[in-house]
Amino acid sequence: DQQVKQNSPSLSVQEGRISILNCDYTNSMFDYFLWYKKYPAEGPTFLISISSIKDKNEDGRFTVFLNKSAKHLSLHIVPSQPGDSAVYFCAASVGGNEKLTFGTGTRLTIIP
Amino acid sequence: DSGVTQTPKHLITATGQRVTLRCSPRSGDLSVYWYQQSLDQGLQFLIQYYNGEERAKGNILERFSAQQFPDLHSELNLSSLELGDSALYFCASSPALGTEAFFGQGTRLTVV
Repeated sequence: DQQVKQNSPSLSVQEGRISILNCDYTNSMFDYFLWYKKYPAEGPTFLISISSIKDKNEDGRFTVFLNKSAKHLSLHIVPSQPGDSAVYFCAASVGGNEKLTFGTGTRLTIIP
Repeated sequence: DSGVTQTPKHLITATGQRVTLRCSPRSGDLSVYWYQQSLDQGLQFLIQYYNGEERAKGNILERFSAQQFPDLHSELNLSSLELGDSALYFCASSPALGTEAFFGQGTRLTVV
């Protein structure tokens, strides 16, 4: 029962262009969503989060959009840089940062 | 470096055996989480401790147990190991409830 789904296992984007990573969820109780980034041989690193009371949150080059009616969120990275190449995990929870449910990840490759 | 230390980094053991994974949280962090990442899966929440007390439980098998000690380090004990227990086990910590978690590098467990 995969409650958080990232249907694209991989994505390649040219340096300088926009990267869009997508995530769908099925549990309507989720009210807090996060994106984590993971480099090989390292643990996931928190990137950005959004509460269900918002539909957009921005932090520098990273913006997360939430569409509650579609149970869909996306992470936009613009402009994409080579250092953005990593695996990105979407995560969701009920009531805050605890007990996160993660997606399976999308491997983003930025092409110089 | 997130400040969360997990030992050992790699562990190879036989079926039926018992192992202990150790996690030292960031200095001052009271909350510790354990996650399991099996091949091609997202991170699965196992258990959370807060200031020595169990706070939340996820999909943790009865063969698995954990505890958080007075110095706030945590151990995850896995017993009667099966081939399917082979996975990356991540520990994360956060300073307080409701704050973003910082992940360690993980322990890769291989059961042969």
